[in-house]
Amino acid sequence: DIQMTQSPSSLSASVGDSVTITCRASQFIATYLNWYQQTPGRAPRLLIYGASSLQRGVPSRFSGSGSGTDFTLTISSLQPEDFATYHCQQSYTTVLTFGGGTKVDIK
Amino acid sequence: QITLKESGPTLVKPTQTLTLTCTFSGFSLSTSGVGVGWIRQPPGKALEWLGIIYWDNDKRYSPSLNSRLTITKDTSKDQVVLMMTNMDPVDTATYFCAHSNRRSFDWLDAFDIWGQGTMVTVSS
Repeated sequence: DIQMTQSPSSLSASVGDSVTITCRASQFIATYLNWYQQTPGRAPRLLIYGASSLQRGVPSRFSGSGSGTDFTLTISSLQPEDFATYHCQQSYTTVLTFGGGTKVDIK
Repeated sequence: QITLKESGPTLVKPTQTLTLTCTFSGFSLSTSGVGVGWIRQPPGKALEWLGIIYWDNDKRYSPSLNSRLTITKDTSKDQVVLMMTNMDPVDTATYFCAHSNRRSFDWLDAFDIWGQGTMVTVSS
């Protein structure tokens, strides 16, 4: 299986801050990388697919980049509704895998 | 509008078989590119992909759970069923089903619509 490692596992930030989360794959996955946002008690929400394509309806302050094994999710100006847990997921192989998640909370 | 909803027991005993049903609307699982996946999340832990079934009845499973999982579809009822045998307390989790459509995402598997999830507790 391809292992997905997210860092940091948690971070504290303030409204208006720019935040970057990293996801590293254990092997080459091209740009087959998706990002999800999950708030407590809710199902995940797709933010980014194909490493950098913004899902319909997702605010433009979210952006994704990377290819190969290293990827980043950036939130350019953190809003109150962005305090959540973020998950990456690879779909390069037919065995899909998620990262361990990164919790973004209020400083 | 696409919706999915999971249903099934909230409590199962160790060694029993769990059967969950995902009832969906707004799409057909006979349309090329479409899939329904199952993902679980133990309390306070990460998401874990379990498996997926595609429009052409192709099925993929997590290797670590492959021997315990079966996913089937009933296109006429717009349902997907997950069966997991030999349940153990470590299988306690919220189980989600989710929609994917490879044609929408450059032929990659991304879950764009999720069910609300159903919490399953394994305990004697």
